[in-house]
Amino acid sequence: RKEVEQDPGPFNVPEGATVAFNCTYSNSASQSFFWYRQDCRKEPKLLMSVYSSGNEDGRFTAQLNRASQYISLLIRDSKLSDSATYLCVVNPPPGGTSYGKLTFGQGTILTVHP
Amino acid sequence: DAGVIQSPRHEVTEMGQEVTLRCKPISGHNSLFWYRQTMMRGLELLIYFNNNVPIDDSGMPEDRFSAKMPNASFSTLKIQPSEPRDSAVYFCASTLGLAGSTGELFFGEGSRLTVL
Repeated sequence: RKEVEQDPGPFNVPEGATVAFNCTYSNSASQSFFWYRQDCRKEPKLLMSVYSSGNEDGRFTAQLNRASQYISLLIRDSKLSDSATYLCVVNPPPGGTSYGKLTFGQGTILTVHP
Repeated sequence: DAGVIQSPRHEVTEMGQEVTLRCKPISGHNSLFWYRQTMMRGLELLIYFNNNVPIDDSGMPEDRFSAKMPNASFSTLKIQPSEPRDSAVYFCASTLGLAGSTGELFFGEGSRLTVL
């Protein structure tokens, strides 16, 4: 089983739609999680961290379900500029030799059309 | 402020040639990461350094790959000899401390390598 798995998509949605991505991780001891965004032919950039209580940043909401070992990203009122690849990222548990060795999922492609 | 600077941005070479990719991390950052991205395998961590010391190189594919960080402001990733399957985008990223606390890596624009 891969450490981090995402549905690659692509997701094609109209402007204004709500879209959600899920990501599963294999190491139940992992404690920190993140979403990155990567525009076409650009470098990845941190979008937001994922906290146990869930967190919201404008139109973006990230949630963590430890019992099922998945994290999600919800985008409301999609904009054309949201078109990108969204990468789920997991940090191994602290205290181990892999701490800080961020593992990226393969990404979910989102295309928002007019 | 200058971000992570990588060179070259693009390189096309022939199989068997040596390739050297260069990275200048953000000033003050003490952790540096080399990633490789392909369509098939996504982003893979090759090696990371903390305070110029290699911490984990388990992602380096084979002996043809080597990485150095002679000082806090410079790192190289070398492939010798190169093979067509090495074709990928190679990203360098840096952060302050280990990435675990904030999860924020600052990536360079990448070096797109094509091996013919």
